[in-house]
Amino acid sequence: EDQVTQSPEALRLQEGESSSLNCSYTVSGLRGLFWYRQDPGKGPEFLFTLYSAGEEKEKERLKATLTKKESFLHITAPKPEDSATYLCAVQSLYGGSQGNLIFGKGTKLSVKP
Amino acid sequence: NAGVTQTPKFQVLKTGQSMTLQCAQDMNHEYMSWYRQDPGMGLRLIHYSVGAGITDQGEVPNGYNVSRSTTEDFPLRLLSAAPSQTSVYFCASSYSPGWTRNNEQFFGPGTRLTVL
Repeated sequence: EDQVTQSPEALRLQEGESSSLNCSYTVSGLRGLFWYRQDPGKGPEFLFTLYSAGEEKEKERLKATLTKKESFLHITAPKPEDSATYLCAVQSLYGGSQGNLIFGKGTKLSVKP
Repeated sequence: NAGVTQTPKFQVLKTGQSMTLQCAQDMNHEYMSWYRQDPGMGLRLIHYSVGAGITDQGEVPNGYNVSRSTTEDFPLRLLSAAPSQTSVYFCASSYSPGWTRNNEQFFGPGTRLTVL
């Protein structure tokens, strides 16, 4: 069964304190791994897609990496505006529709000034 | 582009009532989907569509119906609302059904539904 596990559930950082969020996945064949940001009361906002092990993508203070079993979202020198819930999702090569996303439960990040 | 729009933003229903959640996108996306988000559960797929006239069930389809008569619209119908359907509902769309790269899904702002 395809599955996505995110850790930690919650993370509290001081402004400028770098850290990483983890997304472990089990999927029969990985088509793509997606990272989203979700602010309270809003819909998920797309950040990155990773397709193969070793791939990395960056956007401002965020950097996503991918291995065959997990992905990391590294946050460098975070600011309070980076506070949000970060969601990880995978698409499988097999199954009903290759477009469907399987989500983890998310990591709630709080950055204090 | 307005992107993905959803109406209403908030809705309160009584048990047994029916209603339709509206979703529209103006990006000419083939793939559209409905998710529900519950505390501690993450986003779960209800129904999806890979194009006009084509729909299929996701992980939690019971109690919901969908149709896709146009590329732009993908309404979600609750047939007889139950308290277990209290949730936040998100509609999403992407360019392709996942057979190519650059197929990230774009989400709407959500509908918060309470069933009493």
